[in-house]
Amino acid sequence: SAVISQKPSRDICQRGTSLTIQCQVDSQVTMMFWYRQQPGQSLTLIATANQGSEATYESGFVIDKFPISRPNLTFSTLTVSNMSPEDSSIYLCSVGGDLLYNEQFFGPGTRLTVL
Amino acid sequence: AQTVTQSQPEMSVQEAETVTLSCTYDTSESDYYLFWYKQPPSRQMILVIRQEAYKQQNATENRFSVNFQKAAKSFSLKISDSQLGDAAMYFCAYRSREYNFNKFYFGSGTKLNVKP
Repeated sequence: SAVISQKPSRDICQRGTSLTIQCQVDSQVTMMFWYRQQPGQSLTLIATANQGSEATYESGFVIDKFPISRPNLTFSTLTVSNMSPEDSSIYLCSVGGDLLYNEQFFGPGTRLTVL
Repeated sequence: AQTVTQSQPEMSVQEAETVTLSCTYDTSESDYYLFWYKQPPSRQMILVIRQEAYKQQNATENRFSVNFQKAAKSFSLKISDSQLGDAAMYFCAYRSREYNFNKFYFGSGTKLNVKP
C-alpha cells in the first residue's frame, strides 16, 4: 500500500487569495489524482497528474484556477487560485489505479474554508 | 461514462446487527474492479473491500462481505456484527480494466449510523 500525507490539514483563507496544497507519497507512483469533496458529498475528480507532463483536467476544472505541479514521482501540489467561498471544500490527493496498485489510496485531505 | 448509484443516502443499524448497503452501476464493459471505501467522520478514506469482475466468488474481509451480481450490475456490502467504529460514509466505486482504466467512478455515498 501507499502512505500519503498532505499539507496543510486545514486552512481558513480570505477571498481572492491562493492556497497551495502539498501531497507527498512514500513510494514512487506514476499517477496522482486530486479530488474535491464537499462535506457529506461524494468525490469529484479535479485532475490527474503525471510526472513530466501537463495535468489532465476534468470537465469544469481549468488550469488557471487549479494549477498542478508534479516535479517528481513522489510529490505533487494543487493550487486553488483566486479563491471564493464556493471553493470551500475538502481537497484530497490520491494515488493508485495503475499497474502497481489496483485500488486508490487517499491522503487525509485538506479542509479549506474561504471567507 | 460509467455511473455508480447508491440509492440509500443514510442508514442505521443497531450494534451487533447486520446491515446491507446497496450499489448499482452501469457499464458496457466486462472486465472491471468494484470497491467499497469507508470514510469515518473527519478521517481518512480507506479501502474496505475489492471485487474483480471476472471472479465469481464474492469477496470477504472479516465482517465485511459483498454480494456481487454481475448480470444485474449490483454490488452490495454486508456488514455483520456491526460495531460503533463502523459508523462512516461508505462509497462504492468502479474502475475499468479495459478503457480509461486509471479513472475511478464513485457513488454518492451512504452514511451509516450505528446505534449502541
